[in-house]
Amino acid sequence: QSALTQPASVSGSPGQSITISCTGTSSDVGSYNLVSWYQQHPGKAPKLMIYEGSKRPSGVSNRFSGSKSGNTASLTISGLQAEDEADYYCCSYAGFSTWIFGGGTKLTVL
Amino acid sequence: QVQLQESGPGLVKPSGTLSLTCAVSGGSISSNIWWSWVRQPLGKGLEWIGEISHSGNTNYNPSLKSRVTITVDRSKNQFSLKLRSVTAADTAVYYCARGFLPARALDYWGQGALVTVSS
Repeated sequence: QSALTQPASVSGSPGQSITISCTGTSSDVGSYNLVSWYQQHPGKAPKLMIYEGSKRPSGVSNRFSGSKSGNTASLTISGLQAEDEADYYCCSYAGFSTWIFGGGTKLTVL
Repeated sequence: QVQLQESGPGLVKPSGTLSLTCAVSGGSISSNIWWSWVRQPLGKGLEWIGEISHSGNTNYNPSLKSRVTITVDRSKNQFSLKLRSVTAADTAVYYCARGFLPARALDYWGQGALVTVSS
């Protein structure tokens, strides 16, 4: 099992939109609609932002959206705000009752 | 409101066993939920360790499977992690989390417990 591939960093200005990609294989991201996304601020526990590829938990802003195409899942944040600056991790079911995380992406709000 | 709290020794000697417990409050550990452990070396990414169902079924990360055991104690509403034969590479913040069905996405997390492996 290799970690899902995410860009190490992305950046955007307030009000802009950014997209973070999460690339896996046909054995994980490509085969299941079980990708979740987590936001993690420094020194804090991760927070669930998206599950089952595109669903938002109660309380998560609709500025956060998820999608998938083939072996790549994506998280889009629209109307970027300073508080969105954090690390973001994707996670996918990888078959055989196992789960795998991405390497993480640091989002900088300029 | 569900809350999870990790506890256990913060320092473990090399070749020893790392033991952590996650106390669950605000909800029953016997609910139709999967309970997970995730770790994060300082400054690095998240790694899934394993999970246990309300009925005691377990799944583990293949890379750790030979060294990991996750158990549940319904009488105390808690679940536990044991990682044997630890090395410095096992130094990390260890999180417990709740995975709701059917997605098993992790919606509630503990604050994390830093475990250092050192002599």
